[in-house]
Amino acid sequence: EAQVTQNPRYLITVTGKKLTVTCSQNMNHEYMSWYRQDPGLGLRQIYYSMNVEVTDKGDVPEGYKVSRKEKRNFPLILESPSPNQTSLYFCASSLGPLPYEQYFGPGTRLTVT
Amino acid sequence: AQKVTQAQTEISVVEKEDVTLDCVYETRDTTYYLFWYKQPPSGELVFLIRRNSFDEQNEISGRYSWNFQKSTSSFNFTITASQVVDSAVYFCALSTGNQFYFGTGTSLTVIP
Repeated sequence: EAQVTQNPRYLITVTGKKLTVTCSQNMNHEYMSWYRQDPGLGLRQIYYSMNVEVTDKGDVPEGYKVSRKEKRNFPLILESPSPNQTSLYFCASSLGPLPYEQYFGPGTRLTVT
Repeated sequence: AQKVTQAQTEISVVEKEDVTLDCVYETRDTTYYLFWYKQPPSGELVFLIRRNSFDEQNEISGRYSWNFQKSTSSFNFTITASQVVDSAVYFCALSTGNQFYFGTGTSLTVIP
């Protein structure tokens, strides 16, 4: 089954404790992306990757890191999480940025206390 | 700068009513794509439709229809004869260059 998986689905952590949210897709997609969803703000793109070893900032990259060492994986790293990073995070993949629709993972709800 | 505006934050309709969700976008690019996604209460994001900037034909898919007008930079979504299963948050999105830009979403509640 074609899918995007994210782990963990729920995470509660404390300020400053490094964490990684994993994202994996099995569709051989070149384009992968991370978003955060906040009430009243919709989805905002954090980082995206056009292919292996090619990543770039989206609209809200501060406080986040990513890497793309393999085509299927695109982890999101919060090296020193803060409460304002409490959010619902989605990973997505597609064949490319244009003209393709994105396939989204199930989401990761992160709470930073 | 790219921007997508969904001015309607919440809409409630009674089952079987028609409802239109508005989407206005801003971009200076001549090549772009517009999308609608549905987020039901279960939380996943479901792709509904894609439209490119060179194709202004309206589209109908069952009870769903989309009206794309470049002159007003709008890409509106109409649900005909709404059903309870249509209750969800709907997002309009713009893709241009290498990025995607989403609106803030419209929460639709269909009352039985």
